Amino acid sequence: EAGVVQSPRYKIIEKKQPVAFWCNPISGHNTLYWYRQNLGQGPELLIRYENEEAVDDSQLPKDRFSAERLKGVDSTLKIQPAELGDSAVYLCASSPKRTSYEQYFGPGTRLTVT
Amino acid sequence: DAKTTQPNSMESNEEEPVHLPCNHSTISGTDYIHWYRQLPSQGPEYVIHGLTSNVNNRMASLAIAEDRKSSTLILHRATLRDAAVYYCILRDRWGTGNQFYFGTGTSLTVIP
Repeated sequence: EAGVVQSPRYKIIEKKQPVAFWCNPISGHNTLYWYRQNLGQGPELLIRYENEEAVDDSQLPKDRFSAERLKGVDSTLKIQPAELGDSAVYLCASSPKRTSYEQYFGPGTRLTVT
Repeated sequence: DAKTTQPNSMESNEEEPVHLPCNHSTISGTDYIHWYRQLPSQGPEYVIHGLTSNVNNRMASLAIAEDRKSSTLILHRATLRDAAVYYCILRDRWGTGNQFYFGTGTSLTVIP
């Protein structure tokens, strides 16, 4: 079984530029999560999807961050414009359903904003 | 969501048991205790979870205090591949609220 796929693995951009991250969850997983992990910290939830519906986006900075999950499968997280403080690892995770005890994480995208 | 407290770092000798503590004094009756670990340059991975009773799986054991205000993850024989950051997380059984609050975890160093 293929795991959660994320791309790109690394991205370096200048501040004020846009950037997008892509996630392909495990087949059949209805719940999808985006996390941000700052250096030396644990992951912090940005947004959670149940199928194509965003059901928890309270931690998403909506002035510059946006996300979508078309057809309830793949998801894209976008930042526009990027700021220096957005440098972090962006992790995608999926689980069969909201109450599943296990989340499966992708390898993450390391973003560096210069 | 209730939060957890873990030591920032621990060391263990290879092939010896490791006991990773976690305090969760404000745990509610419906909170499950989850443990995840994150190896360098990888996403977190599930280790084990439990509600009230001690749990064992192929990776580790989870010992839960009778009052559920603390728990201990036990690695029976640490290997170099167990060097990682270990997160103790509380999650409501209905999956509501912030799904996982990871905190800063415990960085485990395994000494050859």
